[in-house]
Amino acid sequence: RKEVEQDPGPFNVPEGATVAFNCTYSNSASQSFFWYRQDCRKEPKLLMSVYSSGNEDGRFTAQLNRASQYISLLIRDSKLSDSATYLCVVNIVGGSYIPTFGRGTSLIVHP
Amino acid sequence: DGGITQSPKYLFRKEGQNVTLSCEQNLNHDAMYWYRQDPGQGLRLIYYSQIVNDFQKGDIAEGYSVSREKKESFPLTVTSAQKNPTAFYLCASQQTSGRDEEYFGPGTRLTVT
Repeated sequence: RKEVEQDPGPFNVPEGATVAFNCTYSNSASQSFFWYRQDCRKEPKLLMSVYSSGNEDGRFTAQLNRASQYISLLIRDSKLSDSATYLCVVNIVGGSYIPTFGRGTSLIVHP
Repeated sequence: DGGITQSPKYLFRKEGQNVTLSCEQNLNHDAMYWYRQDPGQGLRLIYYSQIVNDFQKGDIAEGYSVSREKKESFPLTVTSAQKNPTAFYLCASQQTSGRDEEYFGPGTRLTVT
């Protein structure tokens, strides 16, 4: 079983829709969690950190469920410009802390 | 401006040649990472370094080598032993290994023919 798993999609949604992605992780001692956005042929860029209490930034909401070992990203009122791949990152506690990436979820927002 | 630079953006090499990809950061970060990304795939960890003069293999280190002689620099050499080197290579840094977010350079797209 992979340490961090994401549904690769693509999620194909109309403008204005609400879409949610989940990311599961296998190591219960994982320390910190992030969502990144990656546009085609570009580097990943931090979208938001995921805190235990959840956090919101405009149309984006991230949540952590430690009991079920997943993090989620909710995008409300989708825009065309939200089309990208969304990567979840879990920093795994081990001999050293190594960021572990999910494969990414592709989102396509259409008119 | 603080950030991570990678050069060159595009690199073309003939099969059998070694090639070194540059990664420099002025963020004063301790940890640095090299990833490889193939089309439609996620990021795979090649090597990482948490402190100067020390580095560890990631999941796909075979055919690659690195050095960390200075805190700000973490060059990656793709050797002729790497069987399928054509890929998008991303360098990242992190303030404190494992706890903080990573910052990525713009990447180097390597094509070997």
